[in-house]
Amino acid sequence: AQSVTQPDIHITVSEGASLELRCNYSYGATPYLFWYVQSPGQGLQLLLKYFSGDTLVQGIKGFEAEFKRSQSSFNLRKPSVHWSDAAEYFCAVGAQGGSTLGRLYFGRGTQLTVWP
Amino acid sequence: DSGVTQTPKHLITATGQRVTLRCSPRSGDLSVYWYQQSLDQGLQFLIQYYNGEERAKGNILERFSAQQFPDLHSELNLSSLELGDSALYFCASSVEHRENEQFFGPGTRLTVL
Repeated sequence: AQSVTQPDIHITVSEGASLELRCNYSYGATPYLFWYVQSPGQGLQLLLKYFSGDTLVQGIKGFEAEFKRSQSSFNLRKPSVHWSDAAEYFCAVGAQGGSTLGRLYFGRGTQLTVWP
Repeated sequence: DSGVTQTPKHLITATGQRVTLRCSPRSGDLSVYWYQQSLDQGLQFLIQYYNGEERAKGNILERFSAQQFPDLHSELNLSSLELGDSALYFCASSVEHRENEQFFGPGTRLTVL
């Protein structure tokens, strides 16, 4: 069964520091992988996605993520965090086909706090 | 703004009651998905509709039902509400053949007292 693990419940970084949020997934085949961000009172906004091809994907707001098949990971990175990046971040996995197509499985989220 | 709208934003009701949550997908999107976000279970897929037909079902309780209308808006009906149904309910939509690229609405926060 598909599952997503985000090991860090809460991360605090200083503004300007680099950021890496971890995500590990369990899936029988090559999955589609996503990172979403949720600001307080807001819906989920798609930051980036991996479907195939280049394992380093670029997203919005200066975020990038790297798919590592050998480690079943899809970690999110940003070289320099801004105060406005404070939010909750969700990693998700989706099937490329089959009966679960369209069903996204989410991790429990990582809450990011940014110190000025 | 994703283009997906949900009403109401907040809903407070009592145990045993029934409520209806409404979702309007992005223009042109045929698929609508419902998710529940709770402290206990996190974000969970409930159900998917495609062009008026149910396509996939997740961990949706029998007390919950949904439908998608000819104009493609969708409603999620929750009945015999329990305290544990308090959660944020998200609707998402996607274009045909890109089911995994889902755009989420702002959610409806349901509080059951």
